[in-house]
Amino acid sequence: SAVISQKPSRDICQRGTSLTIQCQVDSQVTMMFWYRQQPGQSLTLIATANQGSEATYESGFVIDKFPISRPNLTFSTLTVSNMSPEDSSIYLCSVGGQRDSEQYFGPGTRLTVT
Amino acid sequence: AQSVTQPDIHITVSEGASLELRCNYSYGATPYLFWYVQSPGQGLQLLLKYFSGDTLVQGIKGFEAEFKRSQSSFNLRKPSVHWSDAAEYFCAVGARAAGNKLTFGGGTRVLVKP
Repeated sequence: SAVISQKPSRDICQRGTSLTIQCQVDSQVTMMFWYRQQPGQSLTLIATANQGSEATYESGFVIDKFPISRPNLTFSTLTVSNMSPEDSSIYLCSVGGQRDSEQYFGPGTRLTVT
Repeated sequence: AQSVTQPDIHITVSEGASLELRCNYSYGATPYLFWYVQSPGQGLQLLLKYFSGDTLVQGIKGFEAEFKRSQSSFNLRKPSVHWSDAAEYFCAVGARAAGNKLTFGGGTRVLVKP
């Protein structure tokens, strides 16, 4: 499986500011995904980011709040914009594996908004 | 739409005892099924996966899962639990027809007593 890294691993931010999270993979992958895990909760898919196309957002998530870039097959960023305390979560990126729906996850970015 | 239910929010098990975690899914066709484990402060690690064929699937760390189509279930088992198995376990369902996106269950937190 691919080795996935995320930066930063954690951050504490003030409300109203923005944070960009980076996801780096050690091999080329077509599909990348961004998830949110709110405290004590399960994972919720924010968007699918495929290289060469606009990200596809899930219901309840919008591009103005969570802009995503996918400049190449090994890298993606997720920005959390105009943050509020409700954005405090773990944000995880994942990449598609060799089989349909198979995904491998990065270590996550723990975000606290004060 | 696909959905996943993990009926048990918490399970406490003694070290050396057996463990079974329940997972029920809802999907019109045969989905792809996955179990992930999340240790405290960590990302998600793929334990095992089912695509087709043999309904008993072996995974890493001594875990296995059995797909039962008639019960729409994919329960995870381990014959003898180690203290290091204390973690959160997530069942997930995906399908090519759903864009290979994963839908996660609510998770089951496993506590291991010495």
